[in-house]
Amino acid sequence: DQQVKQNSPSLSVQEGRISILNCDYTNSMFDYFLWYKKYPAEGPTFLISISSIKDKNEDGRFTVFLNKSAKHLSLHIVPSQPGDSAVYFCAASSVGQNFVFGPGTRLSVLP
Amino acid sequence: DAMVIQNPRYQVTQFGKPVTLSCSQTLNHNVMYWYQQKSSQAPKLLFHYYDKDFNNEADTPDNFQSRRPNTSFCFLDIRSPGLGDAAMYLCATSRGGGRANTEAFFGQGTRLTVV
Repeated sequence: DQQVKQNSPSLSVQEGRISILNCDYTNSMFDYFLWYKKYPAEGPTFLISISSIKDKNEDGRFTVFLNKSAKHLSLHIVPSQPGDSAVYFCAASSVGQNFVFGPGTRLSVLP
Repeated sequence: DAMVIQNPRYQVTQFGKPVTLSCSQTLNHNVMYWYQQKSSQAPKLLFHYYDKDFNNEADTPDNFQSRRPNTSFCFLDIRSPGLGDAAMYLCATSRGGGRANTEAFFGQGTRLTVV
C-alpha cells in the first residue's frame, strides 16, 4: 500500500514556463514533507521541505504548497530551466516514522 | 565536498556470491539508512541505524544484513545475491531519523549488477 503517491510518471514543460509536480499521501500522521531531485546515476539531492504547520514554503525558483485537508502537496518550479530536468521524489515523515518516498516524476524541460 | 560517500559506484557480482557495499559520512549524523531502488520505483527502506540501534524493516529479506562499526561507516552485506537484487542501493544520513523535522542526505548510490 503506497503511502506516498506521485501519479504522474513524467512531465514535459517548455523552458521558462512553470513546472508543477504533484504528490498525494494517505497517512495523516505525516507532518514533514520533502522534495528530492535525482539525476541519472546519482543519489537524490534534497531540494525543499515543508512542515505541516505551514501551507507554503519558498526557496528561489522552488515553492512547495501543502494542502493538509486534501493530503496533497505540490512543487512549483518557475521559471523552469533545462537543468531542472531530473526525477523528482516526494517524501514524507513524522516523529518516529522514517522517510517514505513516492515513485518519482520525471521532469523534462524542453529548450 | 561529498558528505555521504558510497563505494563502489558500480558493483558486479556473481549470483550467490556475497557482496558488501560501503557508506561513509562526514556529517556526524546519528542515523544512517540503506535504501534499495529499482527502476521507476520509490526508494525502499531496507533498514536503518539510530546510533548503534539497528532497525530492520519488516519486509527486508534475511539475505540483507548491515553493520555499523562506528558513527562514520555503515555496510550493507548481501549474503547470497539473486538476480532480483540487482538495483541501485542508496545510503542516506540524517540528524534525527524522522524523530525531528530534518532532511536526509544521500550518497551517490551503488549500482549493483548480478550476473
